Amino acid sequence: GAGVSQSPRYKVAKRGQDVALRCDPISGHVSLFWYQQALGQGPEFLTYFQNEAQLDKSGLPSDRFFAERPEGSVSTLKIQRTQQEDSAVYLCASSLNPSQATDTQYFGPGTRLTVL
Amino acid sequence: EDQVTQSPEALRLQEGESSSLNCSYTVSGLRGLFWYRQDPGKGPEFLFTLYSAGEEKEKERLKATLTKKESFLHITAPKPEDSATYLCAVSGVGSQGNLIFGKGTKLSVKP
Repeated sequence: GAGVSQSPRYKVAKRGQDVALRCDPISGHVSLFWYQQALGQGPEFLTYFQNEAQLDKSGLPSDRFFAERPEGSVSTLKIQRTQQEDSAVYLCASSLNPSQATDTQYFGPGTRLTVL
Repeated sequence: EDQVTQSPEALRLQEGESSSLNCSYTVSGLRGLFWYRQDPGKGPEFLFTLYSAGEEKEKERLKATLTKKESFLHITAPKPEDSATYLCAVSGVGSQGNLIFGKGTKLSVKP
């Protein structure tokens, strides 16, 4: 079956612009995670959804970052007034069960954001 | 604070030269330790989950082991197609399932 998909794959933004990154999880997966991966680093947690509920947003670096999953499937990560330090790969992952901490997370290919 | 440290940062091997990658972790109650493989320009690809000390899992040329403080990913007779970055991550008690990742080990296997 289809895996996790993300769009766009690449995004170039001028400093101060708003961007929206989309994630389509595996069909039927309850849990959805967003991570940020800087060059040469491991992914870092941003936020977690169980269905449409955002249960953890402790990793969002500032109030310029906002995520939603209104119908419990597709999710959008929005970054307002982008800064150069926002340049990174944004990864989305989904897992089948709710709050199962040992459940396998399946990752999408990521969106590479470059802020000029 | 939950933390994962991987070593070495980079490893170069000749084809057929076996070796091990290390993942040391500190977590307040381990629920699971995960190994992923990441190729350039792609998302992490799941390899293994380990749950308790003494557990081992194998897949082709890879074998993952777990102790109370660290995990090893053993690569036996590697091939050039095993070249990738290998990421280790933990999930701890009290989290919502989010993973804490190490920085990864970049493995290069030369023919």
